[in-house]
Amino acid sequence: GQQLNQSPQSMFIQEGEDVSMNCTSSSIFNTWLWYKQDPGEGPVLLIALYKAGELTSNGRLTAQFGITRKDSFLNISASIPSDVGIYFCAGRQMNRDDKIIFGKGTRLHILP
Amino acid sequence: NAGVTQTPKFQVLKTGQSMTLQCAQDMNHNSMYWYRQDPGMGLRLIYYSASEGTTDKGEVPNGYNVSRLNKREFSLRLESAAPSQTSVYFCASRTRLISYEQYFGPGTRLTVT
Repeated sequence: GQQLNQSPQSMFIQEGEDVSMNCTSSSIFNTWLWYKQDPGEGPVLLIALYKAGELTSNGRLTAQFGITRKDSFLNISASIPSDVGIYFCAGRQMNRDDKIIFGKGTRLHILP
Repeated sequence: NAGVTQTPKFQVLKTGQSMTLQCAQDMNHNSMYWYRQDPGMGLRLIYYSASEGTTDKGEVPNGYNVSRLNKREFSLRLESAAPSQTSVYFCASRTRLISYEQYFGPGTRLTVT
């Protein structure tokens, strides 16, 4: 079964608020990836992380590769309506070159 | 350059029927993947292929078979469809040269009655 625990499952926030979500694993991961999925479409990569401790930004999004290699975090600053969607973490374990597995997703809602 | 294409977009099957979901990519990627997405379950890996001629099981392979026909194409077959296989199926591909970024197709929405 899935080995990535993503939380929270869903979030309801006001426009302009900051958002934080995270992903944890019982296994060590070599690569952490964060994706966003809009309704009716496939996921699109937001940020990729390759080194423990790495902090990477993509516009208002910032993600970190946890130093234990067992977790990762995604922050969105000053949320806007187009941030609505499902955010997935994904990862690649050590010695599992091509196998990439996903968390269950965090569904982000922005209240009017 | 179409990226990753999937056919069909929608399909309704009766229990016990068989069908093949097609996936093709024109990015010269080595690795290809099949995932299924169910509400609240995220994306679960069914099978993947690191290169032409090789396939490996993912998290939920039971009830499925795959074929890596050539570098471009990776098909998923349901030999005897069951209602539990009602889902949205996504194909993805990745180059192994630089990063682990996967490019996803638009998905196939399958209903088994």
